[in-house]
Amino acid sequence: GQNIDQPTEMTATEGAIVQINCTYQTSGFNGLFWYQQHAGEAPTFLSYNVLDGLEEKGRFSSFLSRSKGYSYLLLKELQMKDSASYLCAVRNRDDKIIFGKGTRLHILP
Amino acid sequence: DVKVTQSSRYLVKRTGEKVFLECVQDMDHENMFWYRQDPGLGLRLIYFSYDVKMKEKGDIPEGYSVSREKKERFSLILESASTNQTSMYLCASSWDSQGTQYFGPGTRLTVL
Repeated sequence: GQNIDQPTEMTATEGAIVQINCTYQTSGFNGLFWYQQHAGEAPTFLSYNVLDGLEEKGRFSSFLSRSKGYSYLLLKELQMKDSASYLCAVRNRDDKIIFGKGTRLHILP
Repeated sequence: DVKVTQSSRYLVKRTGEKVFLECVQDMDHENMFWYRQDPGLGLRLIYFSYDVKMKEKGDIPEGYSVSREKKERFSLILESASTNQTSMYLCASSWDSQGTQYFGPGTRLTVL
């Protein structure tokens, strides 16, 4: 089967750092996406990892360990506008993209 | 910038009605997708298309059909709407089937 696990909800404080984890068990692996989705809006692309390691993009970084079936999204210097859901999605060996259920992140002032 | 538009943001229909949801993208993308998104269930793929007049079933195609007569337009059809099809419907497109998907704003459909 295909399974992607993320925490349902997380809370963090403005200015802090938060790490959102994603573990996956899929039929093969060809890449992992992170999307951001504000309430009532469409998901927007954040990052794509194919190789192990950390990819940094401004305040956001994404990490991948293929051997562990694990990724995380790291958000630094949190701002109120970062309150959103964060979706992890995996491309399996058939190049089918499977989405996790998303992590709803609440930022407190 | 890629733009994906959907015909309606909100739609209310009655049980048994035929419903058309339209999606248009302006970046000449080959691939287009229809998802529904429900609380606690995440995004689930209904159908996708990798070329004009081509379509493939996703994970939950029952009760839906699609049409892709032109490259830029992908329509989702509910032949006979039912209350369990009340959901947020999201259209997406991408250059290829493996790439980054660009999503439309979504249509929140309520079936009474």
